[in-house]
Amino acid sequence: AQTVTQSQPEMSVQEAETVTLSCTYDTSENNYYLFWYKQPPSRQMILVIRQEAYKQQNATENRFSVNFQKAAKSFSLKISDSQLGDTAMYFCAFMKHPGNTPLVFGKGTRLSVIA
Amino acid sequence: GAGVSQSPSNKVTEKGKDVELRCDPISGHTALYWYRQSLGQGLEFLIYFQGNSAPDKSGLPSDRFSAERTGGSVSTLTIQRTQQEDSAVYLCASSLYIREGETQYFGPGTRLLVL
Repeated sequence: AQTVTQSQPEMSVQEAETVTLSCTYDTSENNYYLFWYKQPPSRQMILVIRQEAYKQQNATENRFSVNFQKAAKSFSLKISDSQLGDTAMYFCAFMKHPGNTPLVFGKGTRLSVIA
Repeated sequence: GAGVSQSPSNKVTEKGKDVELRCDPISGHTALYWYRQSLGQGLEFLIYFQGNSAPDKSGLPSDRFSAERTGGSVSTLTIQRTQQEDSAVYLCASSLYIREGETQYFGPGTRLLVL
């Protein structure tokens, strides 16, 4: 079974600074998908960024980028120019291939952006 | 367009009562997932529907939990004889099923409190 580990329960960052959230996973699969979701106090889970394991290029979405290290089974999220609205729980999630299977989530990292 | 909606937003019930939680997926999404988010267990998969296929019930924690999806759209999660450990946020997600690794879009969840 796949497992996802987020080793930082809580983090804080000053507004406009850069922060990196860690995620490691364990799988014997070669093809899979990885996601970062954000959950603000409203409870709505929002997709931040996704990565296909077969793509070597790291995904980027505006201020958000990932460092995907397949051999190390690491998938960290970098948030640049942090904004107060980035304050939320961040979950790393794994989806195995093939098909559209249920996500396996890490325990989450609570990020606070400080003014 | 409209996102995933869930009702009720909050539900308080007494131990031993039955509850029904509703999920309206995004129109055209053939895959529907239920997850449970609790303080101790994080985010756990419960059940997964895809089109007319038999649902994947492998995540249901006990036979008190059941779910159905009528007409390939709306889904209802039923918890019979609720217990205090059922208190959690129940999240529903939906996705397309056109390519591998489709992104799951989440609803705002139903917070269930069993007294």
